[in-house]
Amino acid sequence: SQQGEEDPQALSIQEGENATMNCSYKTSINNLQWYRQNSGRGLVHLILIRSNEREKHSGRLRVTLDTSKKSSSLLITASRAADTASYFCATGNNFNKFYFGSGTKLNVKP
Amino acid sequence: DTEVTQTPKHLVMGMTNKKSLKCEQHMGHRAMYWYKQKAKKPPELMFVYSYEKLSINESVPSRFSPECPNSSLLNLHLHALQPEDSALYLCASSRQGDQPQHFGDGTRLSIL
Repeated sequence: SQQGEEDPQALSIQEGENATMNCSYKTSINNLQWYRQNSGRGLVHLILIRSNEREKHSGRLRVTLDTSKKSSSLLITASRAADTASYFCATGNNFNKFYFGSGTKLNVKP
Repeated sequence: DTEVTQTPKHLVMGMTNKKSLKCEQHMGHRAMYWYKQKAKKPPELMFVYSYEKLSINESVPSRFSPECPNSSLLNLHLHALQPEDSALYLCASSRQGDQPQHFGDGTRLSIL
């Protein structure tokens, strides 16, 4: 993709376990954002981390950002079946261009 | 329910047809976007409008023609599309270019 890669491409875990997905990007950024997409629906914004931040929390979500490595990770703790979706990272910059990573498909088994 | 409304939800058209996709938001956002998403792929940016002016065209073929009649509406006019244009077309809006985007649920387009 124009933005970069996410790994793993797919992740299957049991309810209650933690899920970690990683994102790498190529360009300079103002911020990095994570989105969720349920099958057949639009994307939903989850969390935004600015380029001068290293870690951010929101409920069961924890995001880290390493600008020296151009990488980010999303941790979902105590996963639920309702967390089953595709997750995408995306970068915001000064030029109104918004690129998404390749995505991680998460399956949480009840 | 999403705050960005897209119509129609599904569209089937022949390669010689002309149709339009519509997108509406009432959040006062000044940046609006069109994305194309193929199955199992991330959304790909097509067009960006900022303050009702086209600011980005990601080398999209001229058979796709965007229009922003006012700050709440965004259209995508389609003409002489190809089968490979079949995809989910997503509209989004944000307060500014690098801020969180709000997405509609998309129009699933099939070209016969």
